[in-house]
Amino acid sequence: KNEVEQSPQNLTAQEGEFITINCSYSVGISALHWLQQHPGGGIVSLFMLSSGKKKHGRLIATINIQEKHSSLHITASHPRDSAVYICAVGHNPTDKLIFGTGTRLQVFP
Amino acid sequence: EPEVTQTPSHQVTQMGQEVILRCVPISNHLYFYWYRQILGQKVEFLVSFYNNEISEKSEIFDDQFSVERPDGSNFTLKIRSTKLEDSAMYFCASSLLAGEGTQYFGPGTRLTVL
Repeated sequence: KNEVEQSPQNLTAQEGEFITINCSYSVGISALHWLQQHPGGGIVSLFMLSSGKKKHGRLIATINIQEKHSSLHITASHPRDSAVYICAVGHNPTDKLIFGTGTRLQVFP
Repeated sequence: EPEVTQTPSHQVTQMGQEVILRCVPISNHLYFYWYRQILGQKVEFLVSFYNNEISEKSEIFDDQFSVERPDGSNFTLKIRSTKLEDSAMYFCASSLLAGEGTQYFGPGTRLTVL
């Protein structure tokens, strides 16, 4: 059974700050997903990665397969980035996702 | 942009009643999932579905739960006799590929069991 741990659980930042959220997992995976959940509850996929690094706008996700660790970075954070960020890992063959508990980010102007 | 839709957005039911939650996945997707999130807790996997059959289910997905893809577009989750602890947000997701496929989530159905 894979355990997915995220840190920190809560994060407060001032607008413009660089944000890092960490995720570690215990068992080998097919891919790691970073997701965003807004207060209304909807879940949006940000990244899916199985190696290396991906960038989309101000968001960067990295993964180290050997260390079973991933990070999500937000550069120049903005109040609209306030949300819960969730790490989830996928397992073959069905790619069911095992979710972390999420990191609640609040960015203040 | 194609999206996953779910109906209803909120369902209130009495304990012991049957409920059916409906999802319309993205049209060319092949893999379908149901997840749930109890208030204040993390999202949990319920079941995955491929090629018209269940490919994996969790311990939560007991005999009270069933899934169906009745007409090639809808994907439904049925709870036969709801319990108070079934109150949660239920998310449907779909993906084109398994293994390394992005999963697209619907907006969720909030189920409240009284």
